[in-house]
Amino acid sequence: GENVEQHPSTLSVQEGDSAVIKCTYSDSASNYFPWYKQELGKRPQLIIDIRSNVGEKKDQRIAVTLNKTAKHFSLHITETQPEDSAVYFCAATSGGYQKVTFGTGTKLQVIP
Amino acid sequence: DAGVIQSPRHEVTEMGQEVTLRCKPISGHDYLFWYRQTMMRGLELLIYFNNNVPIDDSGMPEDRFSAKMPNASFSTLKIQPSEPRDSAVYFCASTSDRAVQPQHFGDGTRLSIL
Repeated sequence: GENVEQHPSTLSVQEGDSAVIKCTYSDSASNYFPWYKQELGKRPQLIIDIRSNVGEKKDQRIAVTLNKTAKHFSLHITETQPEDSAVYFCAATSGGYQKVTFGTGTKLQVIP
Repeated sequence: DAGVIQSPRHEVTEMGQEVTLRCKPISGHDYLFWYRQTMMRGLELLIYFNNNVPIDDSGMPEDRFSAKMPNASFSTLKIQPSEPRDSAVYFCASTSDRAVQPQHFGDGTRLSIL
């Protein structure tokens, strides 16, 4: 089955700096890669996603890149703000069965 | 759009009691997932359904756990008998099978077994 590894497990940045979270996956058939943000005590919420036919996608301060050859994808947050503080999960999905494998999460702390 | 609805939001019960968690997926979604989240183990997929049929229950920890989906708008996750190590946040999520779509999570049930 799919295995998703996520690094780092914790990340502290100064407000205004950039943050990068990296994930690798094992199943070359995976074709959809969502990223979720989970604030303390709340549910995971989708913030951005990318499909395997796209190398990069951007939405305001958030961008995701995908390298299919190397089987890794990354989340980039620019101009970080205190409200970006949360746990971020990457995930990989094989389209046939909609089964999502989640990474172990990165706790991002943005220091004002 | 009401989103995925879970109940109860919080449950505190004593060891040995039966616990039933409930989930209403988003209307029209064909897939329903049950997850368990703990600090130690992160987000674990317990079971998922497609068109009300269980597809993969390999994540169900043991026979004390069971899940049903009697119709397209309702699912239950039952623990009997409950144990303190079952304490966790349980999330339900749903998605559509029209191409690959993100999962939408409910607000979760925070379960504490004393």
